[in-house]
Amino acid sequence: AQTVTQSQPEMSVQEAETVTLSCTYDTSESDYYLFWYKQPPSRQMILVIRQEAYKQQNATENRFSVNFQKAAKSFSLKISDSQLGDAAMYFCAYRSAGASKLTFGTGTRLQVTL
Amino acid sequence: KAGVTQTPRYLIKTRGQQVTLSCSPISGHRSVSWYQQTPGQGLQFLFEYFSETQRNKGNFPGRFSGRQFSNSRSEMNVSTLELGDSALYLCASSLAFFGRAKHEAFFGQGTRLTVV
Repeated sequence: AQTVTQSQPEMSVQEAETVTLSCTYDTSESDYYLFWYKQPPSRQMILVIRQEAYKQQNATENRFSVNFQKAAKSFSLKISDSQLGDAAMYFCAYRSAGASKLTFGTGTRLQVTL
Repeated sequence: KAGVTQTPRYLIKTRGQQVTLSCSPISGHRSVSWYQQTPGQGLQFLFEYFSETQRNKGNFPGRFSGRQFSNSRSEMNVSTLELGDSALYLCASSLAFFGRAKHEAFFGQGTRLTVV
């Protein structure tokens, strides 16, 4: 079974600064996908960024980028130029290539301060 | 394009009762998954439906069940409610049951169930 671990329960960053959220996972599969989801107080899970395991290039979406280290099974999220609206719970998630089930980490609560 | 709609948003039930939650996926999406979110257990997969068939099931007791209709709308039912069933129940829809990453999951805002 796959597992996803987020070792940082809480993180804090000042507005306009950069923060990195950590995620490690364990799997014996070679074809899978990794995601970062954001859950604001409204509770709706919003996809932030996606990484296909077969791609070596790290995914980037505007201010959000990942550092995907397949051999180390590490998948960190970097948020640049942090904004107040980035404050939320962030979940790392894993999905096998052949299924839709997502396996989530325990989440990291990100605070953004002025 | 309307997003994933879950109803009701909030629900309070008494132990022993049963409850039905509803999820309307994004138009054209045929796969619907359900997740339970609690402070203690985090996000856990309940089950997934595709084309009215349950394709995958998580490790939950038989009190938790679901179904999907021909229009892809899905319901989940919990019978004989227990205090521990209090949680946020999230529904996610995607284009297909399997496949490449383009079939990503879009979530609804959830139903907050409180069992007293």
